[in-house]
Amino acid sequence: DGGITQSPKYLFRKEGQNVTLSCEQNLNHDAMYWYRQDPGQGLRLIYYSQIVNDFQKGDIAEGYSVSREKKESFPLTVTSAQKNPTAFYLCASMGYGYTFGSGTRLTVV
Amino acid sequence: GQQVMQIPQYQHVQEGEDFTTYCNSSTTLSNIQWYKQRPGGHPVFLIQLVKSGEVKKQKRLTFQFGEAKKNSSLHITATQTTDVGTYFCAGYNTNAGKSTFGDGTTLTVKP
Repeated sequence: DGGITQSPKYLFRKEGQNVTLSCEQNLNHDAMYWYRQDPGQGLRLIYYSQIVNDFQKGDIAEGYSVSREKKESFPLTVTSAQKNPTAFYLCASMGYGYTFGSGTRLTVV
Repeated sequence: GQQVMQIPQYQHVQEGEDFTTYCNSSTTLSNIQWYKQRPGGHPVFLIQLVKSGEVKKQKRLTFQFGEAKKNSSLHITATQTTDVGTYFCAGYNTNAGKSTFGDGTTLTVKP
C-alpha cells in the first residue's frame, strides 16, 4: 500500500542536541510538507518542497532544516537553535489532498 | 499572510445531536479541504471542495463551500461516538503551493 512512513514514532532529545526525523513516501508525489502540532492546537507549517532539490520556509522555520535530495525522502532536522522543540511532527505529501504520516512525538529531556 | 479561522474550538454533543463547524479565510481560496484527526492519531483527508457554492455529502456528513470561496462548513447529522475527534479545514492557495490550516474543532460525543 502507498503511504507516508515517519520514523521514529517517539524521540527524546537532550538539550543542545540536533535530531533528524525521517519521512519517506511511495506515492510518487512531488510536493512534501512538514507540520508541527502542539497539544490542542492546529498544524503549523515548518518547511515544504514542491520538487526535488528545492524547498521553502513555512511559517515557523526557525530552528529547523530540511533537505530534498530524492523525491521519496524529506528529512527534517530539529537543531539546537529550536528552543521549544517538544511537539508532534507530521510529514505529508500532496496528491488529491494531503496524505499524512503517523507522526513523530519529540520530547526534550 | 493568509489566515484561516475555525469555530467553535470545542463542541460537546449528546449522541444523536447534530454538529457543525465553520471555517473562514481572510483571502479567496483555490480549494478547501477537510480532515479528521482521531485522538492520538494523524489527520486523515475527508474531502476537497473546489467550486463556488459547492455542496458534497458523505453519508451523514455535508460539506459546503461559500459563494465567495472564502468560507466553508462541515455538518454532521445525528452524531455517533465514532465521530469524536478534531476536524480541521485547510484552505489551499495555488500560487503559494501550500495550505493554511484552521485550528480545528474538537468534537466530543456523549453516549
